[in-house]
Amino acid sequence: DIQMTQSPSTLSASVGDRVTIACRASQNIDTWLAWYQQKPGKAPHLLIYKGSTLETGVPSRFSGSGSGTEFTLTISSLQPDDSATYYCQQYNAYPLSFGGGTNVE
Amino acid sequence: EVELLESGGGLVQPGVSLRLSCAGSGFTFKTEAMTWVRQAPGRGLEWVSTIGGSGANKFYAESVKGRFTISRDNSNNTVFLQMNSVRAEDTAVYYCVKGLNKPGGYWGQGTLVTVSS
Repeated sequence: DIQMTQSPSTLSASVGDRVTIACRASQNIDTWLAWYQQKPGKAPHLLIYKGSTLETGVPSRFSGSGSGTEFTLTISSLQPDDSATYYCQQYNAYPLSFGGGTNVE
Repeated sequence: EVELLESGGGLVQPGVSLRLSCAGSGFTFKTEAMTWVRQAPGRGLEWVSTIGGSGANKFYAESVKGRFTISRDNSNNTVFLQMNSVRAEDTAVYYCVKGLNKPGGYWGQGTLVTVSS
């Protein structure tokens, strides 16, 4: 099974900051990686798929990069509305798996 | 407009059975793989199970294999999660998801399952 590890688990930043979240896979997943944003009490929604492709409607300040086992989600200029928990998820193979999440404050 | 409406959650005792339902609308249901993802209180997301559009292909997390069964009724645009021998650790919000990790994917609002004596 593929394990997904995110870091950091919590991140405090200011409006306008560049924020980077890391996600590591326990084995090669090519670019079969998605990123989700979840706000308290709400269902998650997709930000990025295939490692770096932005979902329609997602602000361009979000970007994804990486391949193989190392991936990054970047928010170029943090906005108040970006306060949320972010999850990576691999879909290279079943069982599918999520990272533990990063809470951006 | 896509809609996913989950139902069937509630408070149940350990060891009993429960069936969750998810009714979809606004898309061609039979062509979409459907997934259940759960989230225990204050915890992260956990993939539970996925079923292909025809219902032929089914996949399960190790934590539920042998206890949970996913199925679908394409004539009624509904996917099910039969949960048997539930445990306290199955307590979570269960989300029904269309097109997990695909563009245009959609999550339902979730149904809470609480397993407690």
